[in-house]
Amino acid sequence: AQSVAQPEDQVNVAEGNPLTVKCTYSVSGNPYLFWYVQYPNRGLQFLLKYITGDNLVKGSYGFEAEFNKSQTSFHLKKPSALVSDSALYFCAVRDGERGRRALTFGSGTRLQVQP
Amino acid sequence: DGGITQSPKYLFRKEGQNVTLSCEQNLNHDAMYWYRQDPGQGLRLIYYSQIVNDFQKGDIAEGYSVSREKKESFPLTVTSAQKNPTAFYLCASSIEGTGLTEAFFGQGTRLTVV
Repeated sequence: AQSVAQPEDQVNVAEGNPLTVKCTYSVSGNPYLFWYVQYPNRGLQFLLKYITGDNLVKGSYGFEAEFNKSQTSFHLKKPSALVSDSALYFCAVRDGERGRRALTFGSGTRLQVQP
Repeated sequence: DGGITQSPKYLFRKEGQNVTLSCEQNLNHDAMYWYRQDPGQGLRLIYYSQIVNDFQKGDIAEGYSVSREKKESFPLTVTSAQKNPTAFYLCASSIEGTGLTEAFFGQGTRLTVV
């Protein structure tokens, strides 16, 4: 079975400060990991993914994520937060070799960036 | 413009009625998915399809049905057997189903039972 956990319901950060949104996963084989962002009453937008290769992945809008196999984590980061980054963020995982051919999503983390 | 179109954006259903949510894509993607979103629970997989005329149940398929007669269309029917259908429904597609490529999402349909 594949699963993902986002331990924080909400993250608050001041504009200009670095931000981190946490994600841990569980799979039997090699993980395929994704981050998506959702604005109110909208669909999800893809930010970045890790399939293989460098542990640090860079994505859209200045976001990056670090894959840590020993800690089974894939935390989303940004060096300097913007008010416009305020949204709902979802981590998703797929067991690349063994799992069903669809993503499993976490419960989401609401990011609030204060001016 | 290429993309995924979900319709309608808002849908109201009386208890005991079946209702069908539309999802159309012009991205020439093989795989399509339906997710349900409830507050605090993230997205849960209802059904997915890797290819035309084939689909698999997800985690919460009870009370739902789908068809995949055409590559570009993957309609979801919410039946009267679904006990708590009020939710935000999201359709997605990907080039193929291996997981190597990201999924693209529609703008969602908000279903309310009245």
